[in-house]
Amino acid sequence: QVQLQESGPGPVKPSETLSLTCFVSGDSVSRGNEYWSWIRQPPGKGLEWIGHMFYTGRTNYNPSLKSRVSISIDTFNNQFSLKLVSVTVADTAVYYCARFDTSGWFDPWGQGTRVTVSS
Amino acid sequence: EIVLTQSPGTLSLSPGERATLSCWASQSVTGSRLAWYQQKSGQAPRLLIYDVSSRATGIPDRFSGSGSGTAFTLTISRLEPEDFAVYYCQQYGTSLYTFGPGTKLEIK
Repeated sequence: QVQLQESGPGPVKPSETLSLTCFVSGDSVSRGNEYWSWIRQPPGKGLEWIGHMFYTGRTNYNPSLKSRVSISIDTFNNQFSLKLVSVTVADTAVYYCARFDTSGWFDPWGQGTRVTVSS
Repeated sequence: EIVLTQSPGTLSLSPGERATLSCWASQSVTGSRLAWYQQKSGQAPRLLIYDVSSRATGIPDRFSGSGSGTAFTLTISRLEPEDFAVYYCQQYGTSLYTFGPGTKLEIK
């Protein structure tokens, strides 16, 4: 059974960098059939796709975040990471990692980690 | 960017009733590239339906999807208590993947 688990720093101050890691078990991030994705959900709001990465390094980012976001993959530790720079309070959200089928859907998802941007 | 809207925003029904949730796209979603997710309070979304009408592994057959072009529907034939949740549609017809705002299905 594939499981994803996010880990992160908790509170982040405005203008700092948000860094999250997703640990994958039951699948290999370098198997080559999927992309590895980040999605977020601000409090009380809907879902926003952030971006994803293939193990070869190919990425696709949401244009609204592209200038501030980077995703990387660590095949040795079977995990992938998100960095979002210059955060503001608008980046406060629950951040989910998910496996992205190359056909286009997200399954499964991690349980999510809440990130609060506050001074 | 394909913008998805969902209706109704909230749907109040009783267990045993039939639920019909709609998802509308701002432009045609090519290749039947639409999925549905269920999110229960405090939990991550769970994939229900992909490619408009294919049920994901382990999803009961009371869940069904239909539609094409810009209009899509998720139907729950007979509501069970565990079905009350928020439902999101998602399109992958373009490489900018977008979600609808969700429909909250609540117990009447």
